[in-house]
Amino acid sequence: ETGVTQTPRHLVMGMTNKKSLKCEQHLGHNAMYWYKQSAKKPLELMFVYSLEERVENNSVPSRFSPECPNSSHLFLHLHTLQPEDSALYLCASSQDPGTGGETQYFGPGTRLLVL
Amino acid sequence: GQNIDQPTEMTATEGAIVQINCTYQTSGFNGLFWYQQHAGEAPTFLSYNVLDGLEEKGRFSSFLSRSKGYSYLLLKELQMKDSASYLCAVKDSNYQLIWGAGTKLIIKP
Repeated sequence: ETGVTQTPRHLVMGMTNKKSLKCEQHLGHNAMYWYKQSAKKPLELMFVYSLEERVENNSVPSRFSPECPNSSHLFLHLHTLQPEDSALYLCASSQDPGTGGETQYFGPGTRLLVL
Repeated sequence: GQNIDQPTEMTATEGAIVQINCTYQTSGFNGLFWYQQHAGEAPTFLSYNVLDGLEEKGRFSSFLSRSKGYSYLLLKELQMKDSASYLCAVKDSNYQLIWGAGTKLIIKP
């Protein structure tokens, strides 16, 4: 149990659908992250939020839209995705957004398949 | 560019010792992390090294040499449950985590 939950765990969507991924952390952390994990590739950082403000956006296509309504919740809104967006989407949280050796705690991920 | 290299896959025998290497080339260095990820599960933190040397934590140890841009994770007395992917990640000068692609470790009886 890592204290970070994600829903849904699995999602199949067509290219014209709109869906949202949800992440919730119960650790009292100030920073939250979205990562994309594709098979045999490094984790790709997509977005970073610190105290509900976006501090990092690693050139992610606009078809991915994050939302952080408070420090415990993070959403990833998806629309008009492409098949190459199929991957495991991981949410993580940490006490602060970057300095020092603080650990990131991950949720179990949402396995997304775009048809 | 920034790069983290680790073997794609390794196989070891239950009860044995295995060493998973990680080499890195990053713009600056603010620490190196090892995470374990079982199939279909969340990555979980194993270790953090920021100074040279060996950090031991039970059956797992992690070593760092900053001058060589090199780390390894040492797993002793391997158990079947150690079958997982092991991810190496480095914090660069901007405190951003740069990740390796992971090493899939297969443990055989």
